[in-house]
Amino acid sequence: AQTVTQSQPEMSVQEAETVTLSCTYDTSESDYYLFWYKQPPSRQMILVIRQEAYKQQNATENRFSVNFQKAAKSFSLKISDSQLGDAAMYFCAHGPSYDKVIFGPGTSLSVIP
Amino acid sequence: DSGVTQTPKHLITATGQRVTLRCSPRSGDLSVYWYQQSLDQGLQFLIQYYNGEERAKGNILERFSAQQFPDLHSELNLSSLELGDSALYFCASSGTGNYGYTFGSGTRLTVV
Repeated sequence: AQTVTQSQPEMSVQEAETVTLSCTYDTSESDYYLFWYKQPPSRQMILVIRQEAYKQQNATENRFSVNFQKAAKSFSLKISDSQLGDAAMYFCAHGPSYDKVIFGPGTSLSVIP
Repeated sequence: DSGVTQTPKHLITATGQRVTLRCSPRSGDLSVYWYQQSLDQGLQFLIQYYNGEERAKGNILERFSAQQFPDLHSELNLSSLELGDSALYFCASSGTGNYGYTFGSGTRLTVV
């Protein structure tokens, strides 16, 4: 069965600093996708970054990057130059190419001015 | 605007009642997914439809049902509502492959 674990329920970071959110997952699939979603106080779900398991190169989107370790089934999110608008709940998610996506329990990120 | 439209945005109803939540997917997306997010919880997968057919089912209660119509919009029906059904219900859509979902803004259901 697919599972996604986020071991950090809450984290905080100083504005302009860097923070890393952790995620591990379990799957028996060989081909799959991994995602990080952001949910700000508005409750809207926003896709932050996406990684394809068959690609060794880590995905990056502006200030957001991932560290994908396939053998360890680890998928961490690094946020550089943190901004006040980054404060949100962050969900790690995993899914095969054809089926439902399973979400982790989330990490609440606070940004300290 | 994400392109996924959910109505209504808010719904308050009494225990024992039945409600219908509606979702219009992003143009061109054939897959629709329903998720439930209870207070301060993660997202729980309920059900997926692809081009009118049920594709996958999660921990969806028997009191809940869904369908996807020929125009690809989807409805989630919740019946015999209980206090514990109060939650934010999200609809999401995707195209071919798995490039990530596009989420609607959700329907906040409050059962009193």
